[in-house]
Amino acid sequence: KQEVTQIPAALSVPEGENLVLNCSFTDSAIYNLQWFRQDPGKGLTSLLLIQSSQREQTSGRLNASLDKSSGRSTLYIAASQPGDSATYLCAVYLSNYQLIWGAGTKLIIKP
Amino acid sequence: DAGVTQSPTHLIKTRGQQVTLRCSPKSGHDTVSWYQQALGQGPQFIFQYYEEEERQRGNFPDRFSGHQFPNYSSELNVNALLLGDSALYLCASIGTSGTNEQFFGPGTRLTVL
Repeated sequence: KQEVTQIPAALSVPEGENLVLNCSFTDSAIYNLQWFRQDPGKGLTSLLLIQSSQREQTSGRLNASLDKSSGRSTLYIAASQPGDSATYLCAVYLSNYQLIWGAGTKLIIKP
Repeated sequence: DAGVTQSPTHLIKTRGQQVTLRCSPKSGHDTVSWYQQALGQGPQFIFQYYEEEERQRGNFPDRFSGHQFPNYSSELNVNALLLGDSALYLCASIGTSGTNEQFFGPGTRLTVL
């Protein structure tokens, strides 16, 4: 059974720092992996999708990597800003389109 | 092009009642998945609809049922509501680009009193 874990559950850093969020999964037979952002009480905003054949994806200050063999993905945020404060969720795709989610990392960027 | 839309935005019900949530997928998308997200948790997969039939189902009781219409829009029905059904219900639609990327709506916040 696929399980997804995100550590830490919460993270607080000063503005301007670079940071890394971690996501681990127990079964390497995944289809894709996707990172999302969720603001309090809101829906999900897709950040980056990494297909199983890819190693990383970049969008602006965000870079996501995928290592299937070790069951790990990281989301790197460069030059963090207060507007980056949110909960970040990772989800792995099973081959049948079903997503299995981590519980998220709550990120606070202090001005 | 409108993204995934959901209605209503918020809903308050009492225990034992029934509720229907609605979702319209992105234009050109033919598959809809529903998720339940309890406070402080990641979403949990409820079921997925394709060609008007339930294709996959997560670990949810039969009180949760759904429907997909010929225009690909979908409904989620929950009967005999329990306090524990209070959650954010998210709908996602899936395109045909080959990546199977899921696009999410804003969600419906259901509160059961």
